[in-house]
This record gives sequence, C-alpha cells and structure tokens, in this order.
Amino acid sequence: DGGITQSPKYLFRKEGQNVTLSCEQNLNHDAMYWYRQDPGQGLRLIYYSQIVNDFQKGDIAEGYSVSREKKESFPLTVTSAQKNPTAFYLCASSPAEIRSTEAFFGQGTRLTVV
Amino acid sequence: AQSVTQLDSHVSVSEGTPVLLRCNYSSSYSPSLFWYVQHPNKGLQLLLKYTSAATLVKGINGFEAEFKKSETSFHLTKPSAHMSDAAEYFCVVRPWSTASKLTFGTGTRLQVTL
Repeated sequence: DGGITQSPKYLFRKEGQNVTLSCEQNLNHDAMYWYRQDPGQGLRLIYYSQIVNDFQKGDIAEGYSVSREKKESFPLTVTSAQKNPTAFYLCASSPAEIRSTEAFFGQGTRLTVV
Repeated sequence: AQSVTQLDSHVSVSEGTPVLLRCNYSSSYSPSLFWYVQHPNKGLQLLLKYTSAATLVKGINGFEAEFKKSETSFHLTKPSAHMSDAAEYFCVVRPWSTASKLTFGTGTRLQVTL
C-alpha cells in the first residue's frame, strides 16, 4: 500500500529530553511537511522540505529540528528547547511541482510530556 | 501572502438536515483549494479539491463545494447530514505561485444530533 507512515502513534517524553518522530512515505513525493495541531488552533507548519538535503522553517520552527537525507524520510526532533511540546503531530507529503495536487497525511503522533 | 478563514468554529445540525461549513480565502494568485476531514486522533482525509476547472466540485461522501471568486469563498455543503459526518473539517489554500506551502483554516467541528 502506498502512503505515509508515522511512528510511534503515542509518545511520552520527560521534560528536558529530546525525542524524534518518524515519518516515512512510499509515494515518491518530493515535498514533505510537519504540522503541529493544538485544540482550536488548526494545523501550524513546523518545517517543510521540497527536495532531499534541503528544508525550510515554517511558522513555528523554534525548538524543533529536521533532516531530509532520503526522499522517503523526514524525521522531526522535538528538542528540550521546545517549551510546550505536548501536541498532536502530523506529517504530510505531496508532489512538489504539481500545484493542484493535494497533500497526503499520516495518522499522526501524539506526544505527551510527563 | 495567503490566508484562510473558517467562519464557524463549531456547527451543530440534526441528522438528515443540510450541512453548510463556510470558508473564505485570501490569495495573491489563483489558488488551489481543498477541504479535509479529520476524525478524532486520526490524520486528515481529502474530501474534495478545486484546481481552476469546474467551480462546483463534488467530493466523497456526498459533499460538494462551490468556488466563488467574486466572494473569495469556498463553502462546503451536504444535502443531508449523517451521524458519521461528525468530525473536524479544514479548509486549505495552496497558492498557484508557490508549489509547496499549504495554509490551513482553524477548523470547524461538525456535530450531528439525532
């Protein structure tokens, strides 16, 4: 099946620890994105990447880092600098050059700081 | 710059009655517009999209939306609500000039009552 896989589905982190969320896609899409979702705030863009080895900050990049070493993988690290990391995180991908094509989403990772 | 405004954060309808979820957009260039649905703790699923072809767009599960350039609107409708339609709905804009960046509305939670 083609799609986007996020893991784990639930993640618990102690304060002060870094944690990495996995996102893998087998759709051969160039563009990948990370969004954060909080109740009543919709989705906010953390980082996005249009091509391997390149990525750009989104609207709320502080306290997060990413890498794009392979086309199919776009892991997100939530660092200890992120003051309020408890949220639902969604990864998405799309064909970068086809503007009319929608983004495809993973099932999300719920991160909770304990 | 582009933006999306979902005019209602919460809509409640009775089963069998029409659904109207309102969305206004702002975009410097001719945009692509999308509606997504999200069930609790799940990823986003595409309902329908407008990509400069027909202004009345039909989607899955009986939903449709009409692109009105003069009103900068893209409202989502369904003639008869079903209990399974209860979810959160997001209006999304993707400008024609920039391939990758999506902008999300803050979402409308649809409640369906008996």
